[in-house]
Amino acid sequence: AQTVTQSQPEMSVQEAETVTLSCTYDTSESDYYLFWYKQPPSRQMILVIRQEAYKQQNATENRFSVNFQKAAKSFSLKISDSQLGDAAMYFCASGNYQLIWGAGTKLIIKP
Amino acid sequence: DTGVSQNPRHKITKRGQNVTFRCDPISEHNRLYWYRQTLGQGPEFLTYFQNEAQLEKSRLLSDRFSAERPKGSFSTLEIQRTEQGDSAMYLCASSLEAARGYTFGSGTRLTVV
Repeated sequence: AQTVTQSQPEMSVQEAETVTLSCTYDTSESDYYLFWYKQPPSRQMILVIRQEAYKQQNATENRFSVNFQKAAKSFSLKISDSQLGDAAMYFCASGNYQLIWGAGTKLIIKP
Repeated sequence: DTGVSQNPRHKITKRGQNVTFRCDPISEHNRLYWYRQTLGQGPEFLTYFQNEAQLEKSRLLSDRFSAERPKGSFSTLEIQRTEQGDSAMYLCASSLEAARGYTFGSGTRLTVV
């Protein structure tokens, strides 16, 4: 069965500092994509960053970057210069059209 | 285009009643997905459509659940004879290409009392 595991139920970081959220996955697909989504409290899920599994280069979107280790099936998210608005649940997902999701990591930003 | 729209935002129903939710995807997106999310969990796949064709349905989905996407536009998700265990957030998303990921709606929160 395909699985996505986020081992950190909750993380906290001081404003302006850097935090890394972990994600590991297991898939039998040869062609797949990896995503990080953000879900603020009572608000909709928003795409943060995406990675094509066939690309070795790690994706970057402004303050957000990933460390993609395909052999280890690891896909961590690094948030630099954390801001109060980054506080949310973060979900890792893997798949092609149908995505498998992790249980999420709650990110707390300390002012 | 205003994104993915879901209605209603909230629904409270008595056990045993039927409920129907609607999702209007981004107009140029040909794929539409339904997921269910309970508190503290990630989304759980229910079903998905490519245009009007329902391509996949979760084996976890009981026969009480049915979804349609007539003419490949909006979609409806119906739950018959609701049970308390159906209480959850029902999320709709749409996409054009797998690589771009999903655009989600705000969800419909169902409470079965």
